[in-house]
Amino acid sequence: DAKTTQPTSMDCAEGRAANLPCNHSTISGNEYVYWYRQIHSQGPQYIIHGLKNNETNEMASLIITEDRKSSTLILPHATLRDTAVYYCIVRVSNDYKLSFGAGTTVTVRA
Amino acid sequence: DAGVTQSPTHLIKTRGQQVTLRCSPISGHKSVSWYQQVLGQGPQFIFQYYEKEERGRGNFPDRFSARQFPNYSSELNVNALLLGDSALYLCASSAPLRASNYEQYFGPGTRLTVT
Repeated sequence: DAKTTQPTSMDCAEGRAANLPCNHSTISGNEYVYWYRQIHSQGPQYIIHGLKNNETNEMASLIITEDRKSSTLILPHATLRDTAVYYCIVRVSNDYKLSFGAGTTVTVRA
Repeated sequence: DAGVTQSPTHLIKTRGQQVTLRCSPISGHKSVSWYQQVLGQGPQFIFQYYEKEERGRGNFPDRFSARQFPNYSSELNVNALLLGDSALYLCASSAPLRASNYEQYFGPGTRLTVT
């Protein structure tokens, strides 16, 4: 599996967009980029995934660079409830496991 | 629809004892995965079961075992508990396997403390 690199932590102001970077320079052509988050004392929650095109859903947007070596998760209007650890994961589509790293601890401040 | 449920919520055991953790997947989901999350780290994959068959196993000792029942619920068993087994144990279920991607839905976890 390709590995990912994320900043350890970042702060964000409530109501502003939060841009979470992820580096996956060794990603293979058949590997997708997944994002999960884990709010304190809860199980991880799926956010979004993509292969090479930008993706958007009700929670977030995912921007993947053309060379696919990095991506950015965008929370358009961060709220206090978005405070969590965010995990960027790369995996092939039919892989049975998720390989979590340490993630980015995002703190949204009022 | 109810999400993934796990029981018990919290558990305290003594070194050397055995523990059984239980998971009920989302209705219609046939695949269950187990993860261990030690404090301060991301979850680590232990097992995945699909249609009662083990599909994958992470780098965990044979003290860890699991099974899946005909109703797709699952149990994780850990024998000869060590202090290092203290962790949050997460269960995740996913929809029937298909060629395209599928996301895993996690339960709230069981907090195991070994003293």
